[in-house]
Amino acid sequence: NAGVTQTPKFRVLKTGQSMTLLCAQDMNHEYMYWYRQDPGMGLRLIHYSVGEGTTAKGEVPDGYNVSRLKKQNFLLGLESAAPSQTSVYFCVTAVGGANVLTFGAGSRLTVL
Amino acid sequence: AQSVAQPEDQVNVAEGNPLTVKCTYSVSGNPYLFWYVQYPNRGLQFLLKYITGDNLVKGSYGFEAEFNKSQTSFHLKKPSALVSDSALYFCAVRDYNNAGNMLTFGGGTRLMVKP
Repeated sequence: NAGVTQTPKFRVLKTGQSMTLLCAQDMNHEYMYWYRQDPGMGLRLIHYSVGEGTTAKGEVPDGYNVSRLKKQNFLLGLESAAPSQTSVYFCVTAVGGANVLTFGAGSRLTVL
Repeated sequence: AQSVAQPEDQVNVAEGNPLTVKCTYSVSGNPYLFWYVQYPNRGLQFLLKYITGDNLVKGSYGFEAEFNKSQTSFHLKKPSALVSDSALYFCAVRDYNNAGNMLTFGGGTRLMVKP
């Protein structure tokens, strides 16, 4: 039982490059989220999904896209990376309701 | 809209002393409140939550938190701090009516427990 798995764990990009972060969960959770963590700013929600085939914007969605074609996977895409997107990204899942979140280990992205 | 504030960037306590990490929140409806802890290079881990009922909530590792509706606060407490409690602590809130179950996190408070 792996829980929430994020790949890759580390990535360095040049400005303008694109990439996709993959999140996979084996807990059958309905809700999935992508947060970014920056020093002094806590965690900010980028996009989220309340079920397979659904996505919605969070607090800071600009420059990112997401897809949830399968219930267990939630992909975060950066179309044209910018230095402001240098951050640690967390995939998070929840059963729903009065939810307790399960976090992945994080993906550290650096954009030069 | 929902928001949460953690007024202290860092809290320093001596081992064995009581600790308090402060959190205040704002929601339009009834709040669901959470505390999470983050150790270096790890994701956040759940400590405790308040949904309804008793205002004093007990959680993992001897931590507890008190919900105070009039002061819109949810401070994290522990009677006797351990060096191993040193970590980054996040308070989070969700409005009961939030359709996406989205949590809003505070900026985090670094707890340093010195021997």
